[in-house]
Amino acid sequence: QQQVKQSPQSLIVQKGGISIINCAYENTAFDYFPWYQQFPGKGPALLIAIRPDVSEKKEGRFTISFNKSAKQFSLHIMDSQPGDSATYFCAAIQSGAGSYQLTFGKGTKLSVIP
Amino acid sequence: DTGVSQNPRHKITKRGQNVTFRCDPISEHNRLYWYRQTLGQGPEFLTYFQNEAQLEKSRLLSDRFSAERPKGSFSTLEIQRTEQGDSAMYLCASSLNKNRNLRSYEQYFGPGTRLTVT
Repeated sequence: QQQVKQSPQSLIVQKGGISIINCAYENTAFDYFPWYQQFPGKGPALLIAIRPDVSEKKEGRFTISFNKSAKQFSLHIMDSQPGDSATYFCAAIQSGAGSYQLTFGKGTKLSVIP
Repeated sequence: DTGVSQNPRHKITKRGQNVTFRCDPISEHNRLYWYRQTLGQGPEFLTYFQNEAQLEKSRLLSDRFSAERPKGSFSTLEIQRTEQGDSAMYLCASSLNKNRNLRSYEQYFGPGTRLTVT
């Protein structure tokens, strides 16, 4: 049972465009939703995160939109650059379970073309 | 702050051999996690430590896998009698879990150890 579903699997965006990646979750006990960026051969790097009591969080060109009732959240990358080409993972944590383990989506491979 | 380091970065082994990986977390972090990532998938949780205590193990962690974190510093993950299905990237992450504040949620990953079992 996949607890965090991510789409699309791959995305091609022109330089300067907006990249949008969507995730949906099932477990309403999740209370933290981070996005990770991973380059080939590297470990995932924490990009931005949101708590469910907030509907939007912006950091530079990256924005998370959160819809608690729909159990969905998305990452928007404004003014996408070739350097943003990477695989992006949404994730969720259920702190009440104690471990704070990350449950990841399957990832979205983003390619930003000049 | 030198980040999370993992060694070796790559390991090729023959089926049936034992392998051991090492993870050095960020120095003040009290939690250490192991994840496994296969091609085209997101990382999957294997186990975690709070200081030196191993507090949870995933069902993915068969009895051929063992992890330790002596003295609450570095950690090792050993796989005995490796199988081809063990081929994956093994990722280590650490966090500072304290008073359930926001930093408790922030996990920082190392570069991973890529295991290939032939």
